[in-house]
Amino acid sequence: IAGITQAPTSQILAAGRRMTLRCTQDMRHNAMYWYRQDLGLGLRLIHYSNTAGTTGKGEVPDGYSVSRANTDDFPLTLASAVPSQTSVYFCASSDGNRYNEQFFGPGTRLTVL
Amino acid sequence: AQKVTQAQTEISVVEKEDVTLDCVYETRDTTYYLFWYKQPPSGELVFLIRRNSFDEQNEISGRYSWNFQKSTSSFNFTITASQVVDSAVYFCALSGAGANSKLTFGKGITLSVRP
Repeated sequence: IAGITQAPTSQILAAGRRMTLRCTQDMRHNAMYWYRQDLGLGLRLIHYSNTAGTTGKGEVPDGYSVSRANTDDFPLTLASAVPSQTSVYFCASSDGNRYNEQFFGPGTRLTVL
Repeated sequence: AQKVTQAQTEISVVEKEDVTLDCVYETRDTTYYLFWYKQPPSGELVFLIRRNSFDEQNEISGRYSWNFQKSTSSFNFTITASQVVDSAVYFCALSGAGANSKLTFGKGITLSVRP
């Protein structure tokens, strides 16, 4: 059982380019999340999805979009990357029970030049 | 609104010392959940513990212990006899009750354990 996989592991991207970070889980969890981690700021929620077919905005959604076509996949797209989007991105999932215990992927390190 | 404060940003100790990581939270919910996560140098986030707001019993797991006090809105984490492998960033997090509640993270504490 892989849990949550993210791809790519790392990426260097020119500003203005479009980029999709992939996230797949095999735990059949209802809820999925995207966070960015920046030094001194902890983890901040970008977007989330409580169930397939629905998405919602987190704390820092600007410049990002997501889709949730099925239970397993939750891609994050940067339509036109900017240097301030340089960060480590974590995908997480939860089975949606009342505890909201989240399981995290290994992360994607993205550098926008 | 929910808030988690980890006032300590960096802590450095010598191996075998005890160390306490502080976490203070704010919430208006009467039922909520508190978490600690560990992020070792390899980068992954590892779940350590979940605590329910209605259970103030302290918990011990090997060298790790957690002290939850609602009166002071704190959920502190103590590592006894620290080891080099404990070197990591530690995050405290808070979630409301309910299936669609979101996790609010503190900014993390970087713990360095020197041999």
